[in-house]
Amino acid sequence: EVQLVESGGGLVQPGGSLRLSCAASGFTFSNYWMSWVRQAPGKGLEWVANINLDGSEKYYVDSVKGRFTISRDNAKNLLYLQMNSLRAEDTAVYKCARDSGIAAAGQDYWGQGTLVTVSS
Amino acid sequence: DIQMTQSPSSLSASVGDRVTITCRASQSISSYLNWYQQKPGKAPKLLIYAASSLQSGVPSRFSGSGSGTDFTLIISSLQPEDFATYYCQQSYSSYTFGQGTKLEIK
Repeated sequence: EVQLVESGGGLVQPGGSLRLSCAASGFTFSNYWMSWVRQAPGKGLEWVANINLDGSEKYYVDSVKGRFTISRDNAKNLLYLQMNSLRAEDTAVYKCARDSGIAAAGQDYWGQGTLVTVSS
Repeated sequence: DIQMTQSPSSLSASVGDRVTITCRASQSISSYLNWYQQKPGKAPKLLIYAASSLQSGVPSRFSGSGSGTDFTLIISSLQPEDFATYYCQQSYSSYTFGQGTKLEIK
């Protein structure tokens, strides 16, 4: 059974940093692109970033470029999101998701998410 | 950046109804369009990919169509478990979601 479990969320002040982790199991992690998607309270879904199989390609939504860094450790089946210079508008539940094995077919498995609150 | 606009933002329907949700892209995205269902407090579920391909395990009452800029999700006969929020997503250039359509019980 595919499982994705996020951790690392919490309350952080504006300008602060946080690193999220996503533990993957039930599939061969190194065979899939992975994404982070966020959802602000009561709002819709926003794709944040994704990463290719070996971590050599990374893509970001414009609003987080230069502030967030996605990475992965295939030996440990872990996906990360390093978030720096956090802003109030970054407050959201951050979910990791597996990009479908079919090219450009979206995300087929999702975690439940970890809440990040940016507030003073 | 590609913008995705869904309509309506919300709708009320009854069990057994046929429901149509539309999604428009700000530029042509070929058939790189996916649909998701999300229930409160739950992770999104991939329903349709590549505009019209049914994800494994998804009931056949869900169908998708369209190409270019205009797309449609159809639920042929609403079931009680279908009341949820639906999102379209373009995968032509990275990913962008529509704002969502909340489907409520009439």
